[in-house]
Amino acid sequence: EDQVTQSPEALRLQEGESSSLNCSYTVSGLRGLFWYRQDPGKGPEFLFTLYSAGEEKEKERLKATLTKKESFLHITAPKPEDSATYLCAVQDKIYNQGGKLIFGQGTELSVKP
Amino acid sequence: DAGITQSPRHKVTETGTPVTLRCHQTENHRYMYWYRQDPGHGLRLIHYSYGVKDTDKGEVSDGYSVSRSKTEDFLLTLESATSSQTSVYFCAISESGGFGQPQHFGDGTRLSIL
Repeated sequence: EDQVTQSPEALRLQEGESSSLNCSYTVSGLRGLFWYRQDPGKGPEFLFTLYSAGEEKEKERLKATLTKKESFLHITAPKPEDSATYLCAVQDKIYNQGGKLIFGQGTELSVKP
Repeated sequence: DAGITQSPRHKVTETGTPVTLRCHQTENHRYMYWYRQDPGHGLRLIHYSYGVKDTDKGEVSDGYSVSRSKTEDFLLTLESATSSQTSVYFCAISESGGFGQPQHFGDGTRLSIL
């Protein structure tokens, strides 16, 4: 059974204090791993897709990396505006139709000035 | 931002009443999805559509039905709402469904069933 586990559940950082969020996954075959950002009262906003182990993607202060069992979202020198819930989701190759995503429960990030 | 509009944004209703939520997209994407988001469960797929009149069930489809008569509109219906269906409902769209393509989400409908 596909499973996605994110840790920690909540993370509090001071502005400028770099850290990482973890997403561990279990799938039959990975078609893609997705990172989203969700602000309160809003829908998830797409950040990155990673397809294979060793792949990395960057956007501003965010960098996502992928291994065969987990993904990390590294946040370098975060700012208060980076505060949000970060969601990880996987797509399993066994689902040929529809592109079903399995989501983790998210990491709530708070960055204090 | 992906052109996705969900309506209504908020709704309060009573147990046993029918409820229909609407998702409208302007991107002409083939795939559309309905999710619910609950504390402790994350986002879970209810139903999805891979074309006009083509729909399939997700992992939490009991008590829900969907319809898609036009590319741009995907409706979610609770035939007889129950308190366990109180949740935030999100619509998502995708250009090509599977094959590693991301889904893009609307801003949700907060539904309370009393």
